[in-house]
Amino acid sequence: DQQVKQNSPSLSVQEGRISILNCDYTNSMFDYFLWYKKYPAEGPTFLISISSIKDKNEDGRFTVFLNKSAKHLSLHIVPSQPGDSAVYFCAASAVHSGAGSYQLTFGKGTKLSVIP
Amino acid sequence: DAGITQSPRHKVTETGTPVTLRCHQTENHRYMYWYRQDPGHGLRLIHYSYGVKDTDKGEVSDGYSVSRSKTEDFLLTLESATSSQTSVYFCALGSGINQPQHFGDGTRLSIL
Repeated sequence: DQQVKQNSPSLSVQEGRISILNCDYTNSMFDYFLWYKKYPAEGPTFLISISSIKDKNEDGRFTVFLNKSAKHLSLHIVPSQPGDSAVYFCAASAVHSGAGSYQLTFGKGTKLSVIP
Repeated sequence: DAGITQSPRHKVTETGTPVTLRCHQTENHRYMYWYRQDPGHGLRLIHYSYGVKDTDKGEVSDGYSVSRSKTEDFLLTLESATSSQTSVYFCALGSGINQPQHFGDGTRLSIL
């Protein structure tokens, strides 16, 4: 049962245009959401996050939107640049009791190609 | 990330042999995690640690064990490697709830 879904395995966008990456989740206990970017042969790099008490978070060219009623979040990249070409992973977490630890559940990723 | 080192970066071994991967941190983070990444699966949690000698299982823990005898090091062991454990393994550090995890550069493990 996949709790975090990225239904688009790939996306191609022209340089300078907007890239929109989508993510859906099923677990209503998720309260913190993140986007990671991954280049080949490197580890995932944290990009931006959002808490469930917000519906939008911005950091430079990157904006994450959260729609809790639809259990949907999206990452907008404006303007897109060739260096943004990478695999983007959506992740979500819920607080676990006991040790107070938390785990991330990842989607399968979307490969973004920004065409010059 | 300069604060997290995975070793080895690449390893090829044979089915049935034991394998240990090491994750070393200089950041003094309480939480450490092991993930595997496979095509079509994204990243899946194997085991994690919430302190020295405190570990717990993740989503895909069968065939793996972990140990954390000191804050800096989190070891992942495959007692008897199988071809299905061929994967890229990532270690991550966490500093607490609603904080991002930060990943190492991975270990590419091939089991023939």
